[in-house]
Amino acid sequence: QQQVKQSPQSLIVQKGGIPIINCAYENTAFDYFPWYQQFPGKGPALLIAIRPDVSEKKEGRFTISFNKSAKQFSLHIMDSQPGDSATYFCAAMTRGTSYGKLTFGQGTILTVHP
Amino acid sequence: DTGVSQDPRHKITKRGQNVTFRCDPISEHNRLYWYRQTLGQGPEFLTYFQNEAQLEKSRLLSDRFSAERPKGSFSTLEIQRTEQGDSAMYLCASSSYKDSYEQYFGPGTRLTVT
Repeated sequence: QQQVKQSPQSLIVQKGGIPIINCAYENTAFDYFPWYQQFPGKGPALLIAIRPDVSEKKEGRFTISFNKSAKQFSLHIMDSQPGDSATYFCAAMTRGTSYGKLTFGQGTILTVHP
Repeated sequence: DTGVSQDPRHKITKRGQNVTFRCDPISEHNRLYWYRQTLGQGPEFLTYFQNEAQLEKSRLLSDRFSAERPKGSFSTLEIQRTEQGDSAMYLCASSSYKDSYEQYFGPGTRLTVT
């Protein structure tokens, strides 16, 4: 059962563009939603995370928008740079009962052209 | 570098052989997770330790898989009688009890079963 669906699978933008990656979840018990960035040959690195009591969170050039009623959340990367080219994963967790087990989306391969 | 280390980084083995991977978490982190990531997919949860206790195992973790965390420090993941379907990246992550939602991943061990 795919509990977190991520789209698109791949995304190409020009430098300075604003790529947007979307995720939808099914399990209403999820209450923590992080985004991870992964470069080839490396483990995922935590970028930014949000809890469902807020609709938006911004850290540097990265912004999460959260829509609890639609069970959707998205990552926006402002002023994207070639160094942002990586695979991005959304994830979800139920803090209270799952010992912090993360359920990941399928990933989005982002390419930022100079 | 997140401070989580894994060894070896790459392992090539023949079908039927046993392999063991090691994870050293961030020193003050008492929570440790193992995930498996296949090509083009997000990581999938395998098992979770709080200190030395293994508290949750995914049904993905067949009888051929065993994990330990003696003394609540480093952890090992052993796969017995490897199969070609075991080829994947095995990721370790750790988090602290105080900030248990933020998981920090190691670089992973890439297993290839020939």
